[in-house]
Amino acid sequence: EAQVTQNPRYLITVTGKKLTVTCSQNMNHEYMSWYRQDPGLGLRQIYYSMNVEVTDKGDVPEGYKVSRKEKRNFPLILESPSPNQTSLYFCASSLLGQARAAQYFGPGTRLLVL
Amino acid sequence: GNSVTQMEGPVTLSEEAFLTINCTYTATGYPSLFWYVQYPGEGLQLLLKATKADDKGSNKGFEATYRKETTSFHLEKGSVQVSDSAVYFCANFGNEKLTFGTGTRLTIIP
Repeated sequence: EAQVTQNPRYLITVTGKKLTVTCSQNMNHEYMSWYRQDPGLGLRQIYYSMNVEVTDKGDVPEGYKVSRKEKRNFPLILESPSPNQTSLYFCASSLLGQARAAQYFGPGTRLLVL
Repeated sequence: GNSVTQMEGPVTLSEEAFLTINCTYTATGYPSLFWYVQYPGEGLQLLLKATKADDKGSNKGFEATYRKETTSFHLEKGSVQVSDSAVYFCANFGNEKLTFGTGTRLTIIP
C-alpha cells in the first residue's frame, strides 16, 4: 500500500529538549516536504527536498532542521523546541514537476512543547 | 506571490443539503487548482483538481470549475452526507509552489 508514515503521532516535550519526527514514504517519490498546520493559518511549508541531499527552506523554517540522506526518509529535527512550535505537523511526498501538486500526506504528528 | 482565500467556517449543514465552499486565488501565470480534504485524525487527501481555465474537476460527487475570469474555484456538492464532515482546503500550484488556503470545517448533521 502506497503511504507516508510519520512517527510519533503524538508527542509532549519540554522547552529545549531536542526531538526528531521521522517521515518515510514507499512510493519512490523524489519530492518530500514538511508542513505545520495551525488554526486560522492553514498549512505552511517548513522545508522541502527535491531529492537526496537536496533540501531548501519553505515559508517558516526558523527553529527546524531537516536531512535527506535516503530517498525514502525525511526527518524533521527540532534542536531546541519552544512553545511556539506546538502544532500539528505533516510530511508529504510527490513526484517532481507538475505532479508535485498532487502530494501524498502522512497522518500527522501532534506536538506539544511545554 | 500566489495566495488562496477560502470561505471561513465552520459550515454546518443538514444531510442532503447543497454545499458551496468559496475559493478565490491570486497567482502569476496560470496555476493548477486543487481541493484537498482532511478527515478527522488524518492527513490531507487530494479530492479533485483542474489544470486549466474552464476545466471541471470532480470526485465523490464534489465538483469545482476553474474560472479564470473570476479567479475562483468554488467547491460544490448537490447532496451532502454525514461522511462528508471534514476540513476542506483549496490550493493552487504555481511558480513551483503549492499554496493552501486556511481550510473550511464542514459538519453535516443527520
